[in-house]
Amino acid sequence: EIVLTQSPGTLSLSPGERATLSCAASQSVSSTYLAWYHQKPGQAPRLLIYGASSRATGIPDRFSGSGSGTDFTLTISRLEPEDFAVYYCQHYGGSVYTFGQGTKLEI
Amino acid sequence: QLQLQESGPGLVKPSETLSLTCTVSGGSISSSSYYWGWIRQPPGKGLEWIGNIYFSGSTYYNSSLRSRVTISVDTSKNQFSLKLSSVTAADTAVYYCARLPRGSVVPAGTFDYWGQGALVTVSS
Repeated sequence: EIVLTQSPGTLSLSPGERATLSCAASQSVSSTYLAWYHQKPGQAPRLLIYGASSRATGIPDRFSGSGSGTDFTLTISRLEPEDFAVYYCQHYGGSVYTFGQGTKLEI
Repeated sequence: QLQLQESGPGLVKPSETLSLTCTVSGGSISSSSYYWGWIRQPPGKGLEWIGNIYFSGSTYYNSSLRSRVTISVDTSKNQFSLKLSSVTAADTAVYYCARLPRGSVVPAGTFDYWGQGALVTVSS
């Protein structure tokens, strides 16, 4: 079973700064099925990135994803106040969906 | 616009069965392009996939919950449901329903639409 490990656990930055979040898979995975979400307090998660690097509908271009194999990255180029949230990576494979434990992006 | 809405009791006693229903509006649950699934999130913790179902009734479950979970679908009502038996306090969580594109449908392998979530507390 694939395990996704996100780092750091908490990232403290300011609006306007660049954020880099990591997701490491316990074994090589297909980038086709690697996604990122963010979740604001009291809300459901929202899909940001799918296929490791494609933005979901309505997601601004300050969000970008990259990576392959076991190492994936979500980059937010210039943080806006609404970007402070918890971020999850997620993988699909063999009819199983797996989430990372999350990275909290805080001001 | 597709919308999903969870409904069901917010309080369940230990050892009993948790039951939730997800009503889909703005789209058909009988679409060949999607699975429909459940995810949960204990208070202050991360996300856990529970399982998903196709309109034909085919199901896929998280192995850690398989012995206690049943997901069913009612295409006539555009709804799907979750039953989790023998609950304990560890099953206290916000339960989300979601749409899952299948096969080559973009964005495959993701949860692209979510309900707002339903908090279920297990307590006597």
